[in-house]
Amino acid sequence: AQSVTQLDSQVPVFEEAPVELRCNYSSSVSVYLFWYVQYPNQGLQLLLKYLSGSTLVESINGFEAEFNKSQTSFHLRKPSVHISDTAEYFCAVSDRNTDKLIFGTGTRLQVFP
Amino acid sequence: DAGVIQSPRHEVTEMGQEVTLRCKPISGHDYLFWYRQTMMRGLELLIYFNNNVPIDDSGMPEDRFSAKMPNASFSTLKIQPSEPRDSAVYFCASYSGPPYEQYFGPGTRLTVT
Repeated sequence: AQSVTQLDSQVPVFEEAPVELRCNYSSSVSVYLFWYVQYPNQGLQLLLKYLSGSTLVESINGFEAEFNKSQTSFHLRKPSVHISDTAEYFCAVSDRNTDKLIFGTGTRLQVFP
Repeated sequence: DAGVIQSPRHEVTEMGQEVTLRCKPISGHDYLFWYRQTMMRGLELLIYFNNNVPIDDSGMPEDRFSAKMPNASFSTLKIQPSEPRDSAVYFCASYSGPPYEQYFGPGTRLTVT
């Protein structure tokens, strides 16, 4: 069965510092990988996704994630965070055999001035 | 497109009352999901539909919960009778086929007193 592990429940960081949010998954088949972001009092929004091809994927607001098949990881990074990046971030996985997304437990990113 | 629409956005009710949450998926999406989010349990999948047919309801907590999808543009999640432990944010999401990128609604915040 698939599962997703987000190792850090909270990540505090100062503005303009780099950040990495970790995500590991388990699956025996080829997967699709996603990062969703949830701002306070809002629904989840897709941040970026890996479907196939280049293992490095980017979002429009400076986040990037790299699919590492050997380490079964899909860590999210940003070289310089802003206060507005404060949110909860969810990693999710699906495969070609299921209709569902399996979500991790989320990582709360808190950016301080 | 207006995105996934949920109503009401907030609901406050007394224990024992019936609660009905509503969702309108994005036009053309043939999958619809209901999730519940709490601090203690995180994001939980309750039930999902494909072409208006319930596919997996294993996440529905108990018989007090029921969900219907009478047509492609409308779904309801009903709780009868409601209990304080049902207090949570309920999200609806939809998508159309692989790669299973789900679009979330803004959620309904339910408070049962």
